[in-house]
Amino acid sequence: NAGVTQTPKFQVLKTGQSMTLQCAQDMNHNSMYWYRQDPGMGLRLIYYSASEGTTDKGEVPNGYNVSRLNKREFSLRLESAAPSQTSVYFCASSKIDNQPQHFGDGTRLSIL
Amino acid sequence: GQQLNQSPQSMFIQEGEDVSMNCTSSSIFNTWLWYKQDPGEGPVLLIALYKAGELTSNGRLTAQFGITRKDSFLNISASIPSDVGIYFCAGNQYGNKLVFGAGTILRVKS
Repeated sequence: NAGVTQTPKFQVLKTGQSMTLQCAQDMNHNSMYWYRQDPGMGLRLIYYSASEGTTDKGEVPNGYNVSRLNKREFSLRLESAAPSQTSVYFCASSKIDNQPQHFGDGTRLSIL
Repeated sequence: GQQLNQSPQSMFIQEGEDVSMNCTSSSIFNTWLWYKQDPGEGPVLLIALYKAGELTSNGRLTAQFGITRKDSFLNISASIPSDVGIYFCAGNQYGNKLVFGAGTILRVKS
């Protein structure tokens, strides 16, 4: 089973460029999440989608947008990348909201 | 917002030793989760705890949901080199999202 698949795995952007991170899950989960991971700060929730058709802000939503394309896919968009958005981004999914989450392997994003 | 204090920040232990790490909060949680993250990969769920006082094992790993519902600990017995990684606790309250601790980095000396 693939579980949660994220693309791309690595990306380097210049300040001001835009980019969309893709996430897909094959576990028929209802809820999906986007986190960023920075050294010493654990995982911080950017946006989440409790169910298809809904999205909500998490702890650190500024500078990001999301789209729940269908039940399987949840994308994260950076409209105008900034160096402060250099991070490792993880997508996760759970059967329903607030259940244990399953994570993808991350996208390592550097913004110069 | 909710805060989880995870300790220690890092550990450097001898192979075969037992390891203990914990997570505390000033708030009550209804679920505690423990994840492990290997280098270059995403966190993987190790143990989920749902009731105060619950003690659950997964191989050499044992975790407990504190009786006050404000803490949890994870023990690893007889550590081996593949135990290296970052261990995260996570908790949630009804109606709120998962909150993660900052992680415990485990290094094992073989």
